[in-house]
Amino acid sequence: DIQMTQSPSTLSAFVGDRVTITCRASQTISSWLAWYQQKPGKAPKLLIYKASNLESGVPSRFSGSGSGTEFTLTISSLQPDDFATYYCQQYYSYHSFGQGTKLQIK
Amino acid sequence: EVQLVESGGGVVRPGGSLRLSCVASGFTFDDYGMSWVRQAPGKGLEWVSGINWNGGSTGYADSVKGRFTISRDNAKNSLYLQMNSLRAEDTAFYHCTRAGLGTGNYLGWFDPWGQGTLVTVSS
Repeated sequence: DIQMTQSPSTLSAFVGDRVTITCRASQTISSWLAWYQQKPGKAPKLLIYKASNLESGVPSRFSGSGSGTEFTLTISSLQPDDFATYYCQQYYSYHSFGQGTKLQIK
Repeated sequence: EVQLVESGGGVVRPGGSLRLSCVASGFTFDDYGMSWVRQAPGKGLEWVSGINWNGGSTGYADSVKGRFTISRDNAKNSLYLQMNSLRAEDTAFYHCTRAGLGTGNYLGWFDPWGQGTLVTVSS
């Protein structure tokens, strides 16, 4: 099974900050990685697929990069609506998710 | 509008069974693989099971293998999850979700997601 590890688990930041969340896979997954945003009481929302492709309708301040085993999600300038929990997911072999990163307002 | 609506959740005793359903609309259902993903209250996401476009290929997480069965009825635009021998650790919201690749395989990113149906396993 492929294990996905996100860091940090919790991140505090100000509106306007640039933030980066890292996701590491226990083995290579090529670029078969997605990122999701989840707000309390809501279903996850797709942000990025195939490591760096922005889903339609997602603001351009979100970007993804990486391949192999190390990936990042960057938010270039945090907006109030961005405070949520973020998950990475590999789909190279079955599916598995990172444990999540809770982005909190500072 | 693409939409997935789950139903069938509830409270069940350990060892009991439950069948979840998901009705899809707004897209050609039999073009896509589908999956169930669960989330225990306050916890992270866990893929449970997936099925390809015609039901000929399925996959399960180790935690549910041998207890859960995924199926679909393309004529009814519906996805199902039969859950047997339920355990307390199966308590979670169960989300129906579509594989993003559109190749008919259940591998891929997940989009969209249903709001989920809550399964509580408790004596």
